[in-house]
Amino acid sequence: DIQMTQSPSSLSASVGDRVTITCRASQGISNYLAWFQQKPGKVPKSLIYAASSLQSGVPSKFSGSGSGTDFTLTISSLQPEDFATYYCQQYNSYPLTFGGGTKVEIK
Amino acid sequence: EVQLVESGGGLVQPGGSLRLSCAASGFTFSNSWMTWVRQAPGKGLEWVANIKQDGSEKYYVDSVKGRFTISRDNAMNSLFLQMNSLRAEDTAVYYCARDLRYHRVGTDWGQGTLVTVSS
Repeated sequence: DIQMTQSPSSLSASVGDRVTITCRASQGISNYLAWFQQKPGKVPKSLIYAASSLQSGVPSKFSGSGSGTDFTLTISSLQPEDFATYYCQQYNSYPLTFGGGTKVEIK
Repeated sequence: EVQLVESGGGLVQPGGSLRLSCAASGFTFSNSWMTWVRQAPGKGLEWVANIKQDGSEKYYVDSVKGRFTISRDNAMNSLFLQMNSLRAEDTAVYYCARDLRYHRVGTDWGQGTLVTVSS
């Protein structure tokens, strides 16, 4: 199975900060990488697929990059509504696997 | 508007069975891969299983193989998850999701249904 490792597991940031979350795959997954946002008590929301393609309706402050084993999710200017937990997911091979999550909290 | 509504969750004893359903509307169900994802209380997301449009391909996470069966009824726009030999570690909120076209990424999600396995 492909292991997905996110770092950091949590971070504190201020409104307006630029935030970067990393996701590393235990083996190459090309660009078959997605990012999700989940707010407390809410359903996960798909943000990015194919490592860098924005889902419809997702604001452009979110961006993704990477290929192979190393990926990043960047939020260009953190807003109050962005405080949430973010997950990466590989869909290169079965079983599909999620990272452990990165909780973004208010500083 | 895409709608996915899960049902069938509840409290079940270890070793018991439960069948989850997901009623889909607002899109052409028969054209979509469908997925089950679960989330244990206070934990992260875990992909459970998915199924191709015509049901000819099904995939599972190792921990549920031989115990869970994913299926679909395209005429009824419904997705199912038959869960047998349930264990305490299966306790979670179970979400059904519609995959993005050409990408095995859940793009629309239901509200989830809670399964609690406990004596």
